[in-house]
Amino acid sequence: AQSVTQPDIHITVSEGASLELRCNYSYGATPYLFWYVQSPGQGLQLLLKYFSGDTLVQGIKGFEAEFKRSQSSFNLRKPSVHWSDAAEYFCAVAPNSGYSTLTFGKGTMLLVSP
Amino acid sequence: NAGVTQTPKFQVLKTGQSMTLQCAQDMNHEYMSWYRQDPGMGLRLIHYSVGAGITDQGEVPNGYNVSRSTTEDFPLRLLSAAPSQTSVYFCASSLSGGGTDTQYFGPGTRLTVL
Repeated sequence: AQSVTQPDIHITVSEGASLELRCNYSYGATPYLFWYVQSPGQGLQLLLKYFSGDTLVQGIKGFEAEFKRSQSSFNLRKPSVHWSDAAEYFCAVAPNSGYSTLTFGKGTMLLVSP
Repeated sequence: NAGVTQTPKFQVLKTGQSMTLQCAQDMNHEYMSWYRQDPGMGLRLIHYSVGAGITDQGEVPNGYNVSRSTTEDFPLRLLSAAPSQTSVYFCASSLSGGGTDTQYFGPGTRLTVL
């Protein structure tokens, strides 16, 4: 069965500093990979996705993620964090065939300090 | 477009009561799904539908029923609520359910079962 691990439950970053959120997955083949963001009391918004091709993908709000097959990782990065980035971030995978039944990680809560 | 809408936003039930969580989308999406979100657990798939009249189980289907009589609506029924079903429920939809489709999430329903 596929699974997603986000090893950091909470991360605190100073405003203006860089950010990297970790995501590792377990899957028989290369799945489709996603990062979602959830602001307090809100639904989920898609930040970016990887299907194939270039392993560095750009998303909305200045986020990017890099797929590393050898490490089964899909880490999310941002060069300079803004206070409005404080939210919970979820990594998710979906099978690369059939229907898009997402499997989510447990999430990483990002706190931004002034 | 209103996107994906969910009603109610909040609900409190007593153990054993029944209720239906409503989900509707106006994007003519074939694929719809229900997730529950519990603290520290991420989101887990309950049921999904690939079109009117077609539903299937996800990771945690026990205690929930679904049906899909129209493309627009995908209600989730709790026949006899239990405290273990206290959670935040999210509905999502995508065009065809293919892995490359973007899934759009509703704002969620927060359910408390006493």
